[in-house]
Amino acid sequence: DAGVIQSPRHEVTEMGQEVTLRCKPISGHDYLFWYRQTMMRGLELLIYFNNNVPIDDSGMPEDRFSAKMPNASFSTLKIQPSEPRDSAVYFCASSLGGQGNYEQYFGPGTRLTVT
Amino acid sequence: KQEVTQIPAALSVPEGENLVLNCSFTDSAIYNLQWFRQDPGKGLTSLLLIQSSQREQTSGRLNASLDKSSGRSTLYIAASQPGDSATYLCAVRYSGYALNFGKGTSLLVTP
Repeated sequence: DAGVIQSPRHEVTEMGQEVTLRCKPISGHDYLFWYRQTMMRGLELLIYFNNNVPIDDSGMPEDRFSAKMPNASFSTLKIQPSEPRDSAVYFCASSLGGQGNYEQYFGPGTRLTVT
Repeated sequence: KQEVTQIPAALSVPEGENLVLNCSFTDSAIYNLQWFRQDPGKGLTSLLLIQSSQREQTSGRLNASLDKSSGRSTLYIAASQPGDSATYLCAVRYSGYALNFGKGTSLLVTP
């Protein structure tokens, strides 16, 4: 398996622009997570999905952030409009639920820079 | 918020040493605990996962222990090698599915 795939790996954009980050989870995994990593706050959960349905979005910082999962193999995280404080590394992770051990597998991340 | 703390924040050791990384958490009602490795500019690689009913897990030169009552976990690395240099992250799962991460320990193993 190719693991969790994220694109783009790097994104540089200007303040006010829309940014869309993409994620393809490991095939067969029914949970998908979006995390953000900054030097100040470390790794924080933004939102997670179960069977394509958002379960907990309490970590989404504000209405400028939105996430979708239209099918089991694709998810997007959108920021509109972007601000310099959104600069961070955004990780997508996936796992099996049910009676499994819930080990989470992470993608390589998208490094976002908003100027 | 359930806090996860990792000490030390940074560690430098000569090659061949055995070392221990520490992780503490404020709420003992955990579901499981996962140790990750992160190389600079890279994603997270899962090293070990310990369920709340387990006391330890081993993989090669790595051994992770869990003491829920004291709110502590340790990651033991035997016979360290320069290739072990990375940031090691501890993450605790509580009742939901989200992981609560510590800030990590940055490890440098010198030849």
